[in-house]
Amino acid sequence: GAVVSQHPSRVICKSGTSVKIECRSLDFQATTMFWYRQFPKQSLMLMATSNEGSKATYEQGVEKDKFLINHASLTLSTLTVTSAHPEDSSFYICSQDASGNTDTQYFGPGTRLTVL
Amino acid sequence: SQKIEQNSEALNIQEGKTATLTCNYTNYSPAYLQWYRQDPGRGPVFLLLIRENEKEKRKERLKVTFDTTLKQSLFHITASQPADSATYLCALPRDSWGKLQFGAGTQVVVTP
Repeated sequence: GAVVSQHPSRVICKSGTSVKIECRSLDFQATTMFWYRQFPKQSLMLMATSNEGSKATYEQGVEKDKFLINHASLTLSTLTVTSAHPEDSSFYICSQDASGNTDTQYFGPGTRLTVL
Repeated sequence: SQKIEQNSEALNIQEGKTATLTCNYTNYSPAYLQWYRQDPGRGPVFLLLIRENEKEKRKERLKVTFDTTLKQSLFHITASQPADSATYLCALPRDSWGKLQFGAGTQVVVTP
C-alpha cells in the first residue's frame, strides 16, 4: 500500500503559538489529501479536504482561518494550527487515496498535538 | 443524520477464539464499507473493503459480512492472536470523492 508520513509525530507548544504539521506521500502523487482529528476514545472526524493547487474545502464547524491547509505539491500537504489553544490538543491524521482509487485510503501515522 | 455505531465496550477474548465485531449504520445507502485497524497512538491501517453487492469477503484470518437490509456489517477475526489486540474501526463513504465517516471503534484484547 501507499506510504504516508507525517512530521512531527509529537509536538508540545504554548497557548497562542502556531504549529505546522506536514503530510507527505512517499511513493506516489496525491491530488487529494484528507485531514482528520481524533480526540481520545472518539472516532476520527474529517476536518478538511486538501486539493493540490486549489483551496481546501472544510467540513462544517471547522474554522478555515484557524486550520490553514496548504497543498502546494502532489506529495506534500500541510496543516497549520494557528494561535493554538488547549482545546486544540488532539491527534491529527492525514490520509490520501490510493492512486486515484477513492475506495481505498492510506493514513499517516498521526501527529499528537498538546497545547499547554 | 448519518450515524455509525460500534460496540463501545472492549471485547476481551482468549487466544485461538473468534472475535466478532458489529458495525451498524443508519440513514446511509453506502456503495461499500471499510474496516480499519488502529493501534494506540497510530493512524488507521486499511484492512478490508466490502461492496454493497458482496455478502462476504475474506482476507487471511479476517472475514467481513455486509447486510444492506439490516444495515450491518460483521467483522470476524478467527484464530485470534495477542497481536490482533487493537481498536477496529468501520468506515463508510460520505461521497464518491473519498471522504469517510468513521465509527468510534471497538477495542479487542486477546489474552494468551
